[in-house]
Amino acid sequence: GAVVSQHPSRVICKSGTSVKIECRSLDFQATTMFWYRQFPKKSLMLMATSNEGSKATYEQGVEKDKFLINHASLTLSTLTVTSAHPEDSSFYICSARVGTAFGSNQPQHFGDGTRLSIL
Amino acid sequence: EDQVTQSPEALRLQEGESSSLNCSYTVSGLRGLFWYRQDPGKGPEFLFTLYSAGEEKEKERLKATLTKKESFLHITAPKPEDSATYLCAARGTYKYIFGTGTRLKVLA
Repeated sequence: GAVVSQHPSRVICKSGTSVKIECRSLDFQATTMFWYRQFPKKSLMLMATSNEGSKATYEQGVEKDKFLINHASLTLSTLTVTSAHPEDSSFYICSARVGTAFGSNQPQHFGDGTRLSIL
Repeated sequence: EDQVTQSPEALRLQEGESSSLNCSYTVSGLRGLFWYRQDPGKGPEFLFTLYSAGEEKEKERLKATLTKKESFLHITAPKPEDSATYLCAARGTYKYIFGTGTRLKVLA
């Protein structure tokens, strides 16, 4: 149980293009989803938290116009990196969890990540 | 400020050589301590949740324990397939705080 699917697993694209990453909870309803970046040998860096049907909450220093998050249903959240540049190249990981952002102490369940490379 | 520190940063063990990984936390209003395993190029895989001091959880060769200041992940008689990065995370009042992980390598 608690399977999270993330797609695509790898993207290579030219600078200036927009890239959409999907995160789906396959066997549970995720009221809260999280988006992270991870740098080599570093911890997970939280980018934003989203609750289904409401606007995402972005962490300090994360540009919300650059990283668009949509949590349209209880099983799907998307992250769109707009006008991507080489410095946006990274490993992006989503996670999903039951319960609201503040009201749950349940574990997060992670997707397998998306390796984004901007040329 | 809420903080989670994991040690050691890296650990090499011979197959069968038991050891422990440490996760020290300073988090106000701890609402849960989580352990994950992460393989290269993959997302973290959930292992355990601990909610209160004194609690223990076991799964195969892994056992997680919790005190008021730290958590340990004990690995008994590890095998090469246990090689991975092990992450811990503490859930405070508002956020999950992740440690930087322990990279474990088990040699055959």
